[in-house]
Amino acid sequence: SQKIEQNSEALNIQEGKTATLTCNYTNYSPAYLQWYRQDPGRGPVFLLLIRENEKEKRKERLKVTFDTTLKQSLFHITASQPADSATYLCALLDTGGFKTIFGAGTRLFVKA
Amino acid sequence: SQTIHQWPATLVQPVGSPLSLECTVEGTSNPNLYWYRQAAGRGLQLLFYSVGIGQISSEVPQNLSASRPQDRQFILSSKKLLLSDSGFYLCASAGTVRANYGYTFGSGTRLTVV
Repeated sequence: SQKIEQNSEALNIQEGKTATLTCNYTNYSPAYLQWYRQDPGRGPVFLLLIRENEKEKRKERLKVTFDTTLKQSLFHITASQPADSATYLCALLDTGGFKTIFGAGTRLFVKA
Repeated sequence: SQTIHQWPATLVQPVGSPLSLECTVEGTSNPNLYWYRQAAGRGLQLLFYSVGIGQISSEVPQNLSASRPQDRQFILSSKKLLLSDSGFYLCASAGTVRANYGYTFGSGTRLTVV
């Protein structure tokens, strides 16, 4: 079955550094991959989408890469700020095209 | 842009009581609608999705049901709640251009069954 893996351990970094989060998937060939941000007690908020034919996507301080050979996506936040502290979820559209499957997310803490 | 209205924000219900959570969507027509549940510290589990009025697909056999009586209304129900139904319930919408904009989520309902 399709499976998405994100590092369950929280990531702690210093303000100003680059945060890198990893998303791995198996038994799957998605057309595109999404990243969401979720704050405690809130619904996820869509950040970025990258398609299978795109190697890299950028939006302000965010950068996403998509390696379909490794079945992996990396999510980078450059010049991180304490306000970036949240849980970041990786998501893939399933092969049927109607459902999105979410990873469990990685908690990011940015210290001032 | 889409907006999801979801209520109530929190709910405490006794075991065996009924449940009705409502979700309405603004800013789009004929969206795909979804109910997800998130246990504490866990990922999102897809419960139901709907591609149109009256069309419901269930992902996980359980004590819950869903209905879509109108294009932009999605309801999650239960006749008798179980303790295991506790969790954070999220409604999501994906418009026809979801491939560009991802899902829009509501603010969620925190359900505690006691």
